[in-house]
Amino acid sequence: GEDVEQSLFLSVREGDSSVINCTYTDSSSTYLYWYKQEPGAGLQLLTYIFSNMDMKQDQRLTVLLNKKDKHLSLRIADTQTGDSAIYFCAERDVDTGRRALTFGSGTRLQVQP
Amino acid sequence: DAGITQSPRHKVTETGTPVTLRCHQTENHRYMYWYRQDPGHGLRLIHYSYGVKDTDKGEVSDGYSVSRSKTEDFLLTLESATSSQTSVYFCAISERGRPSSGANVLTFGAGSRLTVL
Repeated sequence: GEDVEQSLFLSVREGDSSVINCTYTDSSSTYLYWYKQEPGAGLQLLTYIFSNMDMKQDQRLTVLLNKKDKHLSLRIADTQTGDSAIYFCAERDVDTGRRALTFGSGTRLQVQP
Repeated sequence: DAGITQSPRHKVTETGTPVTLRCHQTENHRYMYWYRQDPGHGLRLIHYSYGVKDTDKGEVSDGYSVSRSKTEDFLLTLESATSSQTSVYFCAISERGRPSSGANVLTFGAGSRLTVL
């Protein structure tokens, strides 16, 4: 089955760039997602990318995909204290009949003033 | 806004008691999901539904059952709660991403925090 892995913690200073990394295992064409969870809240979709793409940019967010290494990253430019949250990488199930996502364990981003 | 409401938002119960969590959606989405969130595990799929009375198991379904008698409501039941079921439970619906893409995206409710003593 699918397996998605992330590092657990990242600390950056306000104004710096943050890079959150993720590896996935599915080798077929799929969609990959980034979600953000603020304390006490549900998950909020940030962006997603299809596995035949290399990069996607959306304002301060840049997603990079290395298909050969099955490595996905989320770069946040000019990181702000409001970006402090848990970030989840997710992969759409191979069994697309379920339309479910498999999530990594989440990376906690701490932004220091 | 997918209009997802979870209830209760917080519940404390004792081992061995039954518990039902409710997920209500207002936009007629066909697919609904229950996930649990635990530190170090991210979100794990418990059960999902692909229509009224159509449900199936996820990866961590032991000890849980679900029902969907109406499109708008998806219920998660713990027949006899155990301390290992202390968790935050999230309901989600599946909806289409950008019109030109083949992606579906999951939209989540605010979560239900369950503590089993």
